[in-house]
Amino acid sequence: DTAVSQTPKYLVTQMGNDKSIKCEQNLGHDTMYWYKQDSKKFLKIMFSYNNKELIINETVPNRFSPKSPDKAHLNLHINSLELGDSAVYFCASSQSPPNYGYTFGSGTRLTVV
Amino acid sequence: AQRVTQPEKLLSVFKGAPVELKCNYSYSGSPELFWYVQYSRQRLQLLLRHISRESIKGFTADLNKGETSFHLKKPFAQEEDSAMYYCALSPGVGGDDKIIFGKGTRLHILP
Repeated sequence: DTAVSQTPKYLVTQMGNDKSIKCEQNLGHDTMYWYKQDSKKFLKIMFSYNNKELIINETVPNRFSPKSPDKAHLNLHINSLELGDSAVYFCASSQSPPNYGYTFGSGTRLTVV
Repeated sequence: AQRVTQPEKLLSVFKGAPVELKCNYSYSGSPELFWYVQYSRQRLQLLLRHISRESIKGFTADLNKGETSFHLKKPFAQEEDSAMYYCALSPGVGGDDKIIFGKGTRLHILP
Protein backbone atom coordinates (compact mmCIF):
# COMPACT_ATOMS: atom_id res chain seq x y z
CA ASP A 1 0.00 0.00 0.00
CA THR A 2 3.00 2.27 -0.61
CA ALA A 3 1.77 5.74 -1.57
CA VAL A 4 4.61 6.70 -3.95
CA SER A 5 6.76 3.86 -5.21
CA GLN A 6 9.91 4.09 -7.28
CA THR A 7 11.86 1.40 -9.04
CA PRO A 8 14.63 0.49 -8.99
CA LYS A 9 15.96 1.48 -5.58
CA TYR A 10 19.58 1.18 -6.72
CA LEU A 11 21.01 1.50 -10.19
CA VAL A 12 24.66 1.06 -11.08
CA THR A 13 25.54 1.51 -14.72
CA GLN A 14 28.36 2.46 -17.04
CA MET A 15 28.86 5.83 -18.71
CA GLY A 16 27.07 6.10 -22.02
CA ASN A 17 24.25 3.72 -21.14
CA ASP A 18 20.54 4.58 -21.24
CA LYS A 19 18.40 3.87 -18.19
CA SER A 20 14.88 4.46 -16.88
CA ILE A 21 13.42 5.02 -13.45
CA LYS A 22 9.74 4.41 -12.82
CA CYS A 23 7.38 6.08 -10.38
CA GLU A 24 3.80 5.35 -9.44
CA GLN A 25 1.47 6.97 -6.92
CA ASN A 26 -1.84 5.68 -5.60
CA LEU A 27 -2.89 8.82 -3.75
CA GLY A 28 -5.08 10.24 -6.51
CA HIS A 29 -2.80 13.29 -6.78
CA ASP A 30 -2.86 15.36 -9.96
CA THR A 31 0.76 16.47 -9.92
CA MET A 32 3.98 14.46 -9.95
CA TYR A 33 7.60 15.60 -9.77
CA TRP A 34 11.18 14.50 -10.20
CA TYR A 35 13.82 15.92 -7.88
CA LYS A 36 17.55 15.34 -7.90
CA GLN A 37 19.50 15.17 -4.63
CA ASP A 38 23.21 15.61 -5.18
CA SER A 39 26.14 14.52 -3.03
CA LYS A 40 25.80 17.68 -0.90
CA LYS A 41 22.18 16.73 -0.21
CA PHE A 42 20.81 19.69 -2.18
CA LEU A 43 17.35 19.06 -3.61
CA LYS A 44 16.62 20.47 -7.02
CA ILE A 45 13.41 20.15 -9.00
CA MET A 46 13.80 18.73 -12.48
CA PHE A 47 10.31 18.23 -13.85
CA SER A 48 6.67 18.47 -12.88
CA TYR A 49 3.64 16.99 -14.57
CA ASN A 50 0.03 17.90 -13.89
CA ASN A 51 -2.47 15.35 -15.17
CA LYS A 52 -0.03 14.06 -17.81
CA GLU A 53 1.02 17.54 -18.98
CA LEU A 54 4.51 18.91 -18.46
CA ILE A 55 4.26 22.10 -16.40
CA ILE A 56 7.75 22.57 -15.01
CA ASN A 57 10.95 21.84 -16.88
CA GLU A 58 13.94 23.29 -15.08
CA THR A 59 17.33 23.62 -16.72
CA VAL A 60 17.95 19.95 -17.26
CA PRO A 61 20.02 18.42 -20.11
CA ASN A 62 18.04 17.05 -23.03
CA ARG A 63 19.36 13.61 -22.14
CA PHE A 64 16.70 13.54 -19.42
CA SER A 65 13.20 12.88 -20.73
CA PRO A 66 10.19 12.43 -18.47
CA LYS A 67 7.12 10.53 -19.61
CA SER A 68 3.71 10.43 -17.97
CA PRO A 69 1.41 7.80 -19.49
CA ASP A 70 -1.32 8.69 -16.99
CA LYS A 71 -1.59 10.87 -13.92
CA ALA A 72 -0.56 8.05 -11.60
CA HIS A 73 2.75 7.39 -13.35
CA LEU A 74 5.80 9.50 -14.10
CA ASN A 75 8.89 7.84 -15.52
CA LEU A 76 12.33 9.30 -16.12
CA HIS A 77 14.49 8.16 -18.99
CA ILE A 78 18.15 9.17 -19.12
CA ASN A 79 20.23 8.80 -22.28
CA SER A 80 24.01 8.66 -22.54
CA LEU A 81 24.61 8.64 -18.81
CA GLU A 82 27.50 10.72 -17.48
CA LEU A 83 29.46 10.53 -14.23
CA GLY A 84 27.80 13.75 -13.05
CA ASP A 85 24.39 12.13 -13.23
CA SER A 86 25.24 10.10 -10.14
CA ALA A 87 22.75 11.19 -7.49
CA VAL A 88 19.59 10.14 -5.70
CA TYR A 89 16.47 10.82 -7.75
CA PHE A 90 13.24 11.31 -5.85
CA CYS A 91 9.77 11.13 -7.27
CA ALA A 92 7.01 13.00 -5.45
CA SER A 93 3.33 13.72 -5.85
CA SER A 94 0.91 16.30 -4.52
CA GLN A 95 -2.43 17.90 -4.93
CA SER A 96 -2.48 20.98 -7.09
CA PRO A 97 -1.35 23.46 -5.79
CA PRO A 98 0.89 21.62 -3.29
CA ASN A 99 -0.41 23.45 -0.24
CA TYR A 100 -0.38 20.26 1.81
CA GLY A 101 3.14 19.37 0.76
CA TYR A 102 4.56 16.49 -1.23
CA THR A 103 4.61 12.78 -0.65
CA PHE A 104 7.99 11.44 -1.69
CA GLY A 105 9.07 8.09 -3.02
CA SER A 106 11.96 6.25 -1.39
CA GLY A 107 14.45 7.43 -4.00
CA THR A 108 16.61 5.79 -6.65
CA ARG A 109 20.34 5.88 -5.99
CA LEU A 110 21.98 6.11 -9.41
CA THR A 111 25.71 5.46 -9.66
CA VAL A 112 27.42 5.96 -13.00
CA VAL A 113 30.83 4.31 -13.28
CA ALA B 1 12.34 35.58 -6.49
CA GLN B 2 11.34 32.74 -4.21
CA ARG B 3 14.11 31.61 -1.93
CA VAL B 4 14.49 29.52 1.21
CA THR B 5 17.61 30.01 3.30
CA GLN B 6 18.86 27.65 5.96
CA PRO B 7 22.02 29.31 7.26
CA GLU B 8 23.43 26.29 9.10
CA LYS B 9 24.76 23.32 7.16
CA LEU B 10 25.44 21.39 10.33
CA LEU B 11 24.11 21.78 13.84
CA SER B 12 25.44 19.69 16.71
CA VAL B 13 23.44 19.63 19.93
CA PHE B 14 23.77 17.57 23.09
CA LYS B 15 20.98 15.17 23.97
CA GLY B 16 18.46 16.90 26.22
CA ALA B 17 19.43 20.38 25.03
CA PRO B 18 17.05 22.64 23.08
CA VAL B 19 17.19 22.62 19.30
CA GLU B 20 16.51 25.46 16.90
CA LEU B 21 16.94 25.03 13.15
CA LYS B 22 16.75 28.36 11.36
CA CYS B 23 14.83 29.05 8.18
CA ASN B 24 14.22 32.34 6.40
CA TYR B 25 12.26 32.77 3.22
CA SER B 26 11.82 35.31 0.48
CA TYR B 27 8.45 35.51 -1.26
CA SER B 28 6.16 38.42 -1.98
CA GLY B 29 2.87 36.56 -1.56
CA SER B 30 1.43 34.34 1.18
CA PRO B 31 3.33 31.09 0.97
CA GLU B 32 2.78 27.78 2.67
CA LEU B 33 5.77 26.69 4.74
CA PHE B 34 6.90 23.18 5.60
CA TRP B 35 9.61 21.26 7.37
CA TYR B 36 10.73 17.93 5.92
CA VAL B 37 13.00 15.40 7.61
CA GLN B 38 15.23 12.81 5.97
CA TYR B 39 16.68 10.08 8.18
CA SER B 40 19.80 8.35 6.93
CA ARG B 41 19.24 6.91 3.44
CA GLN B 42 15.48 7.22 3.66
CA ARG B 43 12.81 9.19 1.86
CA LEU B 44 11.94 12.72 2.79
CA GLN B 45 8.99 12.85 5.14
CA LEU B 46 6.77 15.78 5.89
CA LEU B 47 7.42 16.79 9.48
CA LEU B 48 5.01 19.68 9.82
CA ARG B 49 3.18 22.44 7.97
CA HIS B 50 2.60 25.92 9.26
CA ILE B 51 -1.11 25.82 8.35
CA SER B 52 -1.80 22.91 10.67
CA ARG B 53 -0.04 24.43 13.70
CA GLU B 54 0.73 20.99 15.04
CA SER B 55 3.56 19.51 17.04
CA ILE B 56 5.15 16.38 15.60
CA LYS B 57 7.74 14.38 17.55
CA GLY B 58 8.01 17.34 19.90
CA PHE B 59 8.94 19.77 17.11
CA THR B 60 7.08 23.04 16.51
CA ALA B 61 7.56 25.89 14.05
CA ASP B 62 6.01 29.32 14.09
CA LEU B 63 5.63 31.39 10.98
CA ASN B 64 6.85 34.93 11.59
CA LYS B 65 5.73 37.01 8.63
CA GLY B 66 7.47 40.13 9.89
CA GLU B 67 10.85 38.41 9.98
CA THR B 68 9.95 36.01 7.13
CA SER B 69 11.13 33.13 9.26
CA PHE B 70 9.90 29.64 10.05
CA HIS B 71 12.37 28.27 12.58
CA LEU B 72 11.99 24.69 13.81
CA LYS B 73 12.27 24.14 17.54
CA LYS B 74 12.31 21.33 20.05
CA PRO B 75 12.84 21.85 23.76
CA PHE B 76 14.77 18.63 24.46
CA ALA B 77 16.77 16.90 21.73
CA GLN B 78 16.75 13.12 21.44
CA GLU B 79 19.33 10.95 19.69
CA GLU B 80 16.75 9.76 17.14
CA ASP B 81 16.34 13.37 15.98
CA SER B 82 19.66 13.12 14.12
CA ALA B 83 18.75 13.65 10.45
CA MET B 84 18.71 16.15 7.58
CA TYR B 85 16.05 18.81 7.91
CA TYR B 86 14.74 20.81 4.98
CA CYS B 87 12.66 23.94 5.18
CA ALA B 88 10.39 24.35 2.15
CA LEU B 89 8.03 26.87 0.62
CA SER B 90 5.03 26.49 -1.65
CA PRO B 91 3.80 29.68 -3.33
CA GLY B 92 0.22 28.95 -2.37
CA VAL B 93 -2.92 29.88 -4.27
CA GLY B 94 -2.09 31.56 -7.55
CA GLY B 95 1.50 30.37 -7.57
CA ASP B 96 3.06 27.59 -9.58
CA ASP B 97 2.99 23.95 -8.54
CA LYS B 98 6.48 23.83 -7.17
CA ILE B 99 7.92 23.58 -3.68
CA ILE B 100 11.23 25.32 -3.15
CA PHE B 101 13.57 23.61 -0.71
CA GLY B 102 16.33 25.11 1.37
CA LYS B 103 19.76 23.50 1.21
CA GLY B 104 19.12 21.55 4.38
CA THR B 105 20.63 21.42 7.85
CA ARG B 106 22.18 18.26 9.21
CA LEU B 107 21.23 17.90 12.87
CA HIS B 108 23.61 15.78 14.89
CA ILE B 109 22.58 14.91 18.43
CA LEU B 110 25.54 14.21 20.67
CA PRO B 111 25.14 11.63 23.45
